[in-house]
Amino acid sequence: DAMVIQNPRYQVTQFGKPVTLSCSQTLNHNVMYWYQQKSSQAPKLLFHYYDKDFNNEADTPDNFQSRRPNTSFCFLDIRSPGLGDAAMYLCATSKGGGTYSYEQYFGPGTRLTVT
Amino acid sequence: GNSVTQMEGPVTLSEEAFLTINCTYTATGYPSLFWYVQYPGEGLQLLLKATKADDKGSNKGFEATYRKETTSFHLEKGSVQVSDSAVYFCALRGTGNQFYFGTGTSLTVIP
Repeated sequence: DAMVIQNPRYQVTQFGKPVTLSCSQTLNHNVMYWYQQKSSQAPKLLFHYYDKDFNNEADTPDNFQSRRPNTSFCFLDIRSPGLGDAAMYLCATSKGGGTYSYEQYFGPGTRLTVT
Repeated sequence: GNSVTQMEGPVTLSEEAFLTINCTYTATGYPSLFWYVQYPGEGLQLLLKATKADDKGSNKGFEATYRKETTSFHLEKGSVQVSDSAVYFCALRGTGNQFYFGTGTSLTVIP
């Protein structure tokens, strides 16, 4: 089945220690998104890629970076995690480019704990 | 700009009760509208969608109708089950690649 895969499902890191979360997709979608979701809140968009074009949200901290080496993979790098960065990180994909009726497909998420 | 306003939760219902979760939106142009469901510890799953005015999306007994005149997309189910307990998010996609989510409504169904 075509899907969005996130690894790892659970990640524990230390305060200030860089961490990378990964996302891969077999849907061949040209748009990939990273969201941060804290308890009982809506997902908050951090950034998205439309093909290779990177689109950062204005309020995304500089501490968060992303890479998309090819269509299938996208990475979220947190350079110096703080306690406030503990959250669920969701990757999603969608078709884009002129057709705006397509839905997003979400991965299962990575639960990040910062100690 | 684009935004979604969703009914505050949490909502607690008895099994077989009728469910309505209200959702209204503000958008430029003609957005597509979605309902997503999130079970504990999981990502969001598409529940249903509607891409133009008067469309009705339906899935697993849930329905929502895209009402342009009232800018609404309310979620309904005639008879909820315990397995429907989850958080429900209303969302829209405008003329771009960004999606705008409501704040989510937590539903608990008790036997």
